[in-house]
Amino acid sequence: EAQVTQNPRYLITVTGKKLTVTCSQNMNHEYMSWYRQDPGLGLRQIYYSMNVEVTDKGDVPEGYKVSRKEKRNFPLILESPSPNQTSLYFCASSSVAGGTDTQYFGPGTRLTVL
Amino acid sequence: GEDVEQSLFLSVREGDSSVINCTYTDSSSTYLYWYKQEPGAGLQLLTYIFSNMDMKQDQRLTVLLNKKDKHLSLRIADTQTGDSAIYFCAESQSNYQLIWGAGTKLIIKP
Repeated sequence: EAQVTQNPRYLITVTGKKLTVTCSQNMNHEYMSWYRQDPGLGLRQIYYSMNVEVTDKGDVPEGYKVSRKEKRNFPLILESPSPNQTSLYFCASSSVAGGTDTQYFGPGTRLTVL
Repeated sequence: GEDVEQSLFLSVREGDSSVINCTYTDSSSTYLYWYKQEPGAGLQLLTYIFSNMDMKQDQRLTVLLNKKDKHLSLRIADTQTGDSAIYFCAESQSNYQLIWGAGTKLIIKP
């Protein structure tokens, strides 16, 4: 089954404690992306990757890091989380960025930073 | 920068048609999309339209694109309770990035 998986689904942490949210896709997609979703703001792109070892900043990259060492995995790293990073995070992948190919979304990770 | 705007809420009666509207600013958009997010779930692509099309119909869904006014709409005929969700409009830019609206929450009244 084609899918994007994220872990964990829910996380409560404290300010400053490094965390990683994993994202994995089984569709051999080149393009992967991280979004955060906040009420009234919709989806805002954090980082995206066009292929292995190719990553670029989205609209709201501050406070986040990513890596793309393998095609299937695109982890999101918060080195020193702060309360303003409390949000719902989605990973997505597609074979073509912004074309007719569907972006497949993961189920979301709800992060709370205290 | 480029922007996509939607109303945050729409309330309709079960059985009526729902029309969700979206405006965008990037005249070079190639594709425009409608995604659906059900409660507690990720986003699923509902439909998309290429920028040289005016209309696309798929069962209960009709997408209308007015490129001159940069206005996109999604009509859902015979709205059912299962259509309750947040609907996101998105446009793809010339650099292949997607710009998203804030989402319209569709509320169905019995």
